[in-house]
Amino acid sequence: SQKIEQNSEALNIQEGKTATLTCNYTNYSPAYLQWYRQDPGRGPVFLLLIRENEKEKRKERLKVTFDTTLKQSLFHITASQPADSATYLCALEGGYIPTFGRGTSLIVHP
Amino acid sequence: NAGVTQTPKFRVLKTGQSMTLLCAQDMNHEYMYWYRQDPGMGLRLIHYSVGEGTTAKGEVPDGYNVSRLKKQNFLLGLESAAPSQTSVYFCASSYSAGGSYNEQFFGPGTRLTVL
Repeated sequence: SQKIEQNSEALNIQEGKTATLTCNYTNYSPAYLQWYRQDPGRGPVFLLLIRENEKEKRKERLKVTFDTTLKQSLFHITASQPADSATYLCALEGGYIPTFGRGTSLIVHP
Repeated sequence: NAGVTQTPKFRVLKTGQSMTLLCAQDMNHEYMYWYRQDPGMGLRLIHYSVGEGTTAKGEVPDGYNVSRLKKQNFLLGLESAAPSQTSVYFCASSYSAGGSYNEQFFGPGTRLTVL
């Protein structure tokens, strides 16, 4: 069956460091992969979309990679700040409707 | 632009009661979705709609019904609420699906408790 895996353990890092979050998938051939940010008590907010034929996408301090051979996407936040603390969700779309991972909580300590 | 709005924000029901959650979007999006989010389970798709007058089942449709009579509104109904339906419900909309413009815009959520 199709499966999306994100680390359920929170990622704790120090301010100024680069945070790297992982999204692994199996039994999936996604055409697109999206990353969302969710703050407590709020709905997810779209951050970035990367296509299957793109290796890397950047937006300000954010960088996403997509390796269809490894079936993995990495989400990087450089020069992290306490305001980056949130849960980050990946979503895969193979044809029509995206399927979301469970998310990884990021905590950036000042 | 209000984006995606949901009413109510909070609701407490007793087992067996019914209710309707309303989602509205002002972005002229074709696609609308209802998700539920439970601790440790992530977002799970309940029903979705690809246009006015159309609906389809998602991953966890049992116990829920939906209607999309107007393009801007997507209603989620619980006919006979059960404690297992205690959750946070999110509505979302997107311009399209299966393409580069399918980023989803989410509402603020409805926290539902069924006693």
